[in-house]
Amino acid sequence: DVKVTQSSRYLVKRTGEKVFLECVQDMDHENMFWYRQDPGLGLRLIYFSYDVKMKEKGDIPEGYSVSREKKERFSLILESASTNQTSMYLCASTLGGGGEAFFGQGTRLTVV
Amino acid sequence: DQQVKQNSPSLSVQEGRISILNCDYTNSMFDYFLWYKKYPAEGPTFLISISSIKDKNEDGRFTVFLNKSAKHLSLHIVPSQPGDSAVYFCAATPVLGTSGSRLTFGEGTQLTVNP
Repeated sequence: DVKVTQSSRYLVKRTGEKVFLECVQDMDHENMFWYRQDPGLGLRLIYFSYDVKMKEKGDIPEGYSVSREKKERFSLILESASTNQTSMYLCASTLGGGGEAFFGQGTRLTVV
Repeated sequence: DQQVKQNSPSLSVQEGRISILNCDYTNSMFDYFLWYKKYPAEGPTFLISISSIKDKNEDGRFTVFLNKSAKHLSLHIVPSQPGDSAVYFCAATPVLGTSGSRLTFGEGTQLTVNP
């Protein structure tokens, strides 16, 4: 059974904190993605990676960075959390380009 | 620039009737289209897909129709069940299998099926 696991379901952080969101997949997928979901805006792509140590900016990368040191792990970093980064964060992976993406359960981040 | 658009934020139908969810896209490079279903506090799950070489794909109660000339696709659910109540996202991608290719999602439509 394929699995994408995000380290936390719920997080509350203070403004200015550095925040790490971790994602692990066990499917040996090449591509991994970080999205955020906000009401009325759908899923917006923050960053993605198609290989270890490779990363590409998505549509809304400002205020975020990523790290992919191992194929199975993709981390999203909020360098200095702000209240407008309060959102649902979703990690996904795909075997090849595009195609069916498998999602983690999501992390609801609240920045206060 | 919203390349994938779902113009209806919400849809309410009676149990047993048909649900029709719509999606429009603008990027003519999109070649493969998917529908995802999302319950609150869970990640989206894949529902059904269609390649641009087809105009229809069916899987049980779910059928997706693609009109390439109109850049429009729709998801039909027949018959609708209360368990279908969820947010439905339309997604599109350029050539399947291209390394680094990614999915572009619409805004989502909240479907409510009333018993």
